[in-house]
Amino acid sequence: GAGVSQSPRYKVAKRGQDVALRCDPISGHVSLFWYQQALGQGPEFLTYFQNEAQLDKSGLPSDRFFAERPEGSVSTLKIQRTQQEDSAVYLCASSLRGGRANYGYTFGSGTRLTVV
Amino acid sequence: GENVEQHPSTLSVQEGDSAVIKCTYSDSASNYFPWYKQELGKGPQLIIDIRSNVGEKKDQRIAVTLNKTAKHFSLHITETQPEDSAVYFCAASIRRETSGSRLTFGEGTQLTVNP
Repeated sequence: GAGVSQSPRYKVAKRGQDVALRCDPISGHVSLFWYQQALGQGPEFLTYFQNEAQLDKSGLPSDRFFAERPEGSVSTLKIQRTQQEDSAVYLCASSLRGGRANYGYTFGSGTRLTVV
Repeated sequence: GENVEQHPSTLSVQEGDSAVIKCTYSDSASNYFPWYKQELGKGPQLIIDIRSNVGEKKDQRIAVTLNKTAKHFSLHITETQPEDSAVYFCAASIRRETSGSRLTFGEGTQLTVNP
């Protein structure tokens, strides 16, 4: 597609519920990133994929967070047993190249997660 | 890890005036510094970036300067227009083979351009 597509755009979850957030990157983009953006804050790094390989997951805040990109295209961010502090906008970004040649992210519009 | 500080948090200017947003970073190994514009309900959009081997870069009404010695970089917008109103984020990264261009963002600046 023309841009990075994320779904759903909005998600309301009850505390303790599991959620899955989807990201469709730009076709052919090697690199894919997930960021978490709390209200009024800058995005914070969660995890990075180069094709299907998850090369960096050091930003995931707990073992309740899990991300995958099994075929090197679509990615899913899963949050188990959601808590109120998980409420945020989850942003996905992709980039054409990988590694050190990787410049110029394109971000999606994000999924706004509200945990009640 | 890297820490990026951004000032001011809010900035209000009259249409046609210039706007300047400043950022400092902590890790001297950082070598890539992009700026993003985020409108309400949308994801951040890259507007300009600079690499550590360059001191200044300009693209029409937007320019970025980098002072590696002082570890700070700035965004300059000239001849501001109401459509420039948005939240602006600076970011810094260390380009590594395994982490691509993982970015550390500043806290953001809400720019308002008054007609």
